Amino acid sequence: QQPVQSPQAVILREGEDAVINCSSSKALYSVHWYRQKHGEAPVFLMILLKGGEQKGHEKISASFNEKKQQSSLYLTASQLSYSGTYFCGTRTDSWGKLQFGAGTQVVVTP
Amino acid sequence: EPEVTQTPSHQVTQMGQEVILRCVPISNHLYFYWYRQILGQKVEFLVSFYNNEISEKSEIFDDQFSVERPDGSNFTLKIRSTKLEDSAMYFCASSEKGRDGKLFFGSGTQLSVL
Repeated sequence: QQPVQSPQAVILREGEDAVINCSSSKALYSVHWYRQKHGEAPVFLMILLKGGEQKGHEKISASFNEKKQQSSLYLTASQLSYSGTYFCGTRTDSWGKLQFGAGTQVVVTP
Repeated sequence: EPEVTQTPSHQVTQMGQEVILRCVPISNHLYFYWYRQILGQKVEFLVSFYNNEISEKSEIFDDQFSVERPDGSNFTLKIRSTKLEDSAMYFCASSEKGRDGKLFFGSGTQLSVL
């Protein structure tokens, strides 16, 4: 069961904040976040394991609410380099396949 | 930083032909994956591979698909008889750990089936 991401797209001015959500109908073991720039491979940002932890990467952070089976990615004080498509990937158990959502396209403008 | 290498970067083939997509995972990684992405759509899981056998595969990965690790460094995806709908970007990924391991993706092979 693939996770559902929202919104599909967001346009930001440099310095603005955004939140991307990723939810699943199944209990999650872990959530991965990747960013893909146009024409390139997805690049790993962070993993969150069940336990409700929050992690950070530059000014990008994420939380994982296992009760809601949801993760949120927070883009804070966005930079032009944050533009790209953000994918969440979820695992329902520790060894299971990583399934990706449809992606959220983020465009940061000057 | 070590990286996953994929060749070719582009492959054009006629419907019904066989194609082999090649990947060189990061050398100390033990878990290997193939994903594909149809233009503008989500990244879809195809297959995972560990210890010289398939760990898991999706419904997309039917009898037309096979994977192989022919030697200690290469990891290949073969499509026996390509269809138009196989046109996509195919990504290879590898991971040091199966459990909680982050995936390192190659830059992909764009497959176009005519």
